Amino acid sequence: ETGVTQSPTHLIKTRGQQVTLRCSSQSGHNTVSWYQQALGQGPQFIFQYYREEENGRGNFPPRFSGLQFPNYSSELNVNALELDDSALYLCATTGAQNEKLFFGSGTQLSVL
Amino acid sequence: AQSVAQPEDQVNVAEGNPLTVKCTYSVSGNPYLFWYVQYPNRGLQFLLKYITGDNLVKGSYGFEAEFNKSQTSFHLKKPSALVSDSALYFCAVRVYGGSQGNLIFGKGTKLSVKP
Repeated sequence: ETGVTQSPTHLIKTRGQQVTLRCSSQSGHNTVSWYQQALGQGPQFIFQYYREEENGRGNFPPRFSGLQFPNYSSELNVNALELDDSALYLCATTGAQNEKLFFGSGTQLSVL
Repeated sequence: AQSVAQPEDQVNVAEGNPLTVKCTYSVSGNPYLFWYVQYPNRGLQFLLKYITGDNLVKGSYGFEAEFNKSQTSFHLKKPSALVSDSALYFCAVRVYGGSQGNLIFGKGTKLSVKP
């Protein structure tokens, strides 16, 4: 177990809707990253939060946004959902500069 | 552009035999390299990393990886495969100048170990 919990595990939305995914961090881990994993692909970096500020972003449009809270839990928000947003969304946390990421089991999002 | 390539979609090995899962990379600067494993319906689990030092890195569950700078490779190895090693394996590199959690992953290699 990694100590990282994501909710919900599965979600079905329709095109144009908005969705919020949640991630609780392992104790002491102040950095959280979000990844999108399409079927048959490796995870793609969306963004990272450190001390409640975004400090790195991948090639994703602004309709992908996030929050990190004082307890280091995090949210990923996606507006105006598109069919291509269907994927497994993973969050990963890390603490000290040891370069090791702890991943949650992910949220499987289906956009119809 | 920085990238990671895993040339094999699937690797099949008999239990007890050695296994190798291949990875090559293209990065700016000195590479920070990683291997992660993903079991069905689970998130990724860290196996090992290369930052600096000895080219042979030992990790979890008996896995090791060899960093080869001249060939820009970081192949994952295990001397004796177990059926329980069957999973999806991802090679990753940290983006040069990027944040700690900003990794580029390969497409993954499915390892199948048969009894």
